[in-house]
Amino acid sequence: QQQVKQSPQSLIVQKGGISIINCAYENTAFDYFPWYQQFPGKGPALLIAIRPDVSEKKEGRFTISFNKSAKQFSLHIMDSQPGDSATYFCAASKGPGNQFYFGTGTSLTVIP
Amino acid sequence: DTGVSQNPRHKITKRGQNVTFRCDPISEHNRLYWYRQTLGQGPEFLTYFQNEAQLEKSRLLSDRFSAERPKGSFSTLEIQRTEQGDSAMYLCASSFSGANVLTFGAGSRLTVL
Repeated sequence: QQQVKQSPQSLIVQKGGISIINCAYENTAFDYFPWYQQFPGKGPALLIAIRPDVSEKKEGRFTISFNKSAKQFSLHIMDSQPGDSATYFCAASKGPGNQFYFGTGTSLTVIP
Repeated sequence: DTGVSQNPRHKITKRGQNVTFRCDPISEHNRLYWYRQTLGQGPEFLTYFQNEAQLEKSRLLSDRFSAERPKGSFSTLEIQRTEQGDSAMYLCASSFSGANVLTFGAGSRLTVL
């Protein structure tokens, strides 16, 4: 059973465009929602994260939008760059330090 | 500290053989996690340790899998009698207890022929 559902599976965006990746969850006990970025041959690295008490968090070109009632959250990458080409995973956890449930990933390609 | 280190980076083995992977976490981190990642999927939780105590194991961790963290520092993940379905990337991550930020290693890729 997939605890966190992610879409789309792949995404192609022109340089300068906006990349949007969506995730949905069912377990209302989740209280931490990170996004991880993974380059080929590397482990996932934390990109940005949000807690359900806020609806949006922005760090540079990356923004998480969170809709608690819909149990959905999304990653927006503004002014997408070729260097953003990677696989992005959303995740969720309940309580600090507990296991993370990851989405299936989105392969982002930013075309120059 | 150079982050989470995993060895070997790639292991090719024949079905039925035993393999062992090692993870050296960030030295100040007392929690260590093992995840498995197959092609096109996100990481799946296997188990985690706080210091030397193994606190949780996933049902994915069959009897052929065993993980240890004997002195609360490095950890090993052993897979006995490997099967082709074990082929995956095995990721190790570490964190402070009570913190939500996981730092992942680059992973150990297992190919079972």
